[in-house]
Amino acid sequence: ELKVEQNPLFLSMQEGKNYTIYCNYSTTSDRLYWYRQDPGKSLESLFVLLSNGAVKQEGRLMASLDTKARLSTLHITAAVHDLSATYFCAVDTSLTGGGNKLTFGTGTQLKVEL
Amino acid sequence: DAGVIQSPRHEVTEMGQEVTLRCKPISGHDYLFWYRQTMMRGLELLIYFNNNVPIDDSGMPEDRFSAKMPNASFSTLKIQPSEPRDSAVYFCASSPGRQPGETQYFGPGTRLLVL
Repeated sequence: ELKVEQNPLFLSMQEGKNYTIYCNYSTTSDRLYWYRQDPGKSLESLFVLLSNGAVKQEGRLMASLDTKARLSTLHITAAVHDLSATYFCAVDTSLTGGGNKLTFGTGTQLKVEL
Repeated sequence: DAGVIQSPRHEVTEMGQEVTLRCKPISGHDYLFWYRQTMMRGLELLIYFNNNVPIDDSGMPEDRFSAKMPNASFSTLKIQPSEPRDSAVYFCASSPGRQPGETQYFGPGTRLLVL
C-alpha cells in the first residue's frame, strides 16, 4: 500500500522565518503535486513536479522533487501571515499516459504568526 | 469557466436516508474524480472516470456507495443507506487528462453530516 507521509503535521512559525515541509512516499513515481487548502475551503493547485530534480518556485514557495530518495520538499522563504493554510503533497501513481490517480499526504497545517 | 460545480454545498440527513451528491466538471475535461476528506482518514480517492467510464473504484468504501457519470457534464455519488461515519466533506475534481502531469481542479465540496 502506498504511503505518503508529510512532516511536520503542524507548523507554527513567525513571519519572516524560513522553513521546509517534507513529503516522503513509498513507491516509484516521478509525478508529484502540491496543493494548498484554506480552512473550510477547497484545494488549490500550487505546483506540479514531473521529473527527478524538478524545481518550481512561486513567490515565497519553492518545491523540489528527488525521485530517487522518494522525497519532495516545499520551502517557505520569509513567511507571511497569508501563507497560513494546510499544504498537501500528492503522488501520482497512474499507469496510463493520461489522467492522474493521486494519493494525498497527511497534510501540514501551517500557521504564520504575525 | 465557472470551475467544478458541486451541489448541494451542505447536506444534513438522518441515518438510513439516501444521499445524492452532484458534480459538474469543467467543460472539456476528460477525467472526473470523487474524493472524501475526514479528520481521521485525510483525503481519499473514492473513484474516478475517464470519458464517463469508471476506471478505478477501489477506494469506494462499501456497497452503500455508488457513482455514475451519465454524460460528460454530470456525475453523481450516492450513499444508500447513509450512516453517521459517512459524515465528511466530499470533493469532486476534474482534469483534462490529455497528458501526464495535468492539474486536477477541485470543486468547493459538499459537507455531509449524517445524524
